Amino acid sequence: DADVTQTPRNRITKTGKRIMLECSQTKGHDRMYWYRQDPGLGLRLIYYSFDVKDINKGEISDGYSVSRQAQAKFSLSLESAIPNQTALYFCATSDPGLASYNEQFFGPGTRLTVL
Amino acid sequence: RKEVEQDPGPFNVPEGATVAFNCTYSNSASQSFFWYRQDCRKEPKLLMSVYSSGNEDGRFTAQLNRASQYISLLIRDSKLSDSATYLCAVMGRGSTLGRLYFGRGTQLTVWP
Repeated sequence: DADVTQTPRNRITKTGKRIMLECSQTKGHDRMYWYRQDPGLGLRLIYYSFDVKDINKGEISDGYSVSRQAQAKFSLSLESAIPNQTALYFCATSDPGLASYNEQFFGPGTRLTVL
Repeated sequence: RKEVEQDPGPFNVPEGATVAFNCTYSNSASQSFFWYRQDCRKEPKLLMSVYSSGNEDGRFTAQLNRASQYISLLIRDSKLSDSATYLCAVMGRGSTLGRLYFGRGTQLTVWP
């Protein structure tokens, strides 16, 4: 069973539509992250959350919002999708209580295309 | 200036070759460094952590040079299965502790 799951795995939508990407984890980790990956640009942090009541902006938060519904769930929303938000989106988790506390565990990714 | 700079390659090497990737970071206070491996269209997975002057895991050696602010990954005796993109990452400090800053990734292709 996957420890970090993302839904949907693939999504094609149109400009102006509202989109929600969901992330769930069974690892019991407090920290969760949303990244986007574009060819040649690596992984860029959108938002992160260190616990249920904590939300922080990353490098590229404009045009995105998040919700931490529970320890296990962290959702990313695009209020009005635009074509340059076409990318591969990854959710990740980490646990500062682990010996390898800095390691982040990634979900399988959501490929989003905005037409 | 980006937090982490990484040569994107690509690197194309024959089986059995030794290949090295470098990554530079801008924050001299950084303490924790990582190499992740990412297969095509898959999620990144931790390959190695680098906490001190360096460490070795089989054919893989990660090194840290604090004076010059770079980390490196050496792969010896390359295998076809090593073909992937390798991402370096640096943990933030102070107000950004807990965040990882990633390089753009270096693509490696090992050919028979």
